Amino acid sequence: GNSVTQMEGPVTLSEEAFLTINCTYTATGYPSLFWYVQYPGEGLQLLLKATKADDKGSNKGFEATYRKETTSFHLEKGSVQVSDSAVYFCALSSHSGNTPLVFGKGTRLSVIA
Amino acid sequence: EAGVAQSPRYKIIEKRQSVAFWCNPISGHATLYWYQQILGQGPKLLIQFQNNGVVDDSQLPKDRFSAERLKGVDSTLKIQPAKLEDSAVYLCASSFNVQTGNTIYFGEGSWLTVV
Repeated sequence: GNSVTQMEGPVTLSEEAFLTINCTYTATGYPSLFWYVQYPGEGLQLLLKATKADDKGSNKGFEATYRKETTSFHLEKGSVQVSDSAVYFCALSSHSGNTPLVFGKGTRLSVIA
Repeated sequence: EAGVAQSPRYKIIEKRQSVAFWCNPISGHATLYWYQQILGQGPKLLIQFQNNGVVDDSQLPKDRFSAERLKGVDSTLKIQPAKLEDSAVYLCASSFNVQTGNTIYFGEGSWLTVV
């Protein structure tokens, strides 16, 4: 079945550091890939998405590129801020039939000033 | 545009009691999902509706969980009787339809603690 594996946290970075959160997936066919973010006490928000190979999703300085050859969708940001502290979830949605999201376990990011 | 509304936000019950959560999706969204998020884990799909029909309830513990979306808009999720391991955040989400790549929007969640 479909599954998502993302690096375990927590990740603690200083402000303005470079961020990478690794995400790999297993799926049949060509899924759509997503990063969701969950700020403390809030619901999940879509951060970015990519629907086909080599697509790059970007939002708020975050980027992720859909790499079919490595089945990866790593999240990156060049300079993190304290306000980026949250839990980040990688997710996929299959292209066949029903398309509920399958999530990874989440990676908690803490950015310190 | 109003987002996905959920209530109550927080609930504490004793084991073996019952609880119900309500969800109002974004207007016009035909697809509605209930997810369970246990602390430290990613959300897990419980049930998916397309209008008022169930599309996928394969991971719903049907001996104690039930959900309905009678008029194809609002939905309720019920747990009876609750167990300690049901302590989690119950997330409702909606999307325009099931088409691949459609953005799924989440509510803020209903936080359940079973003691």
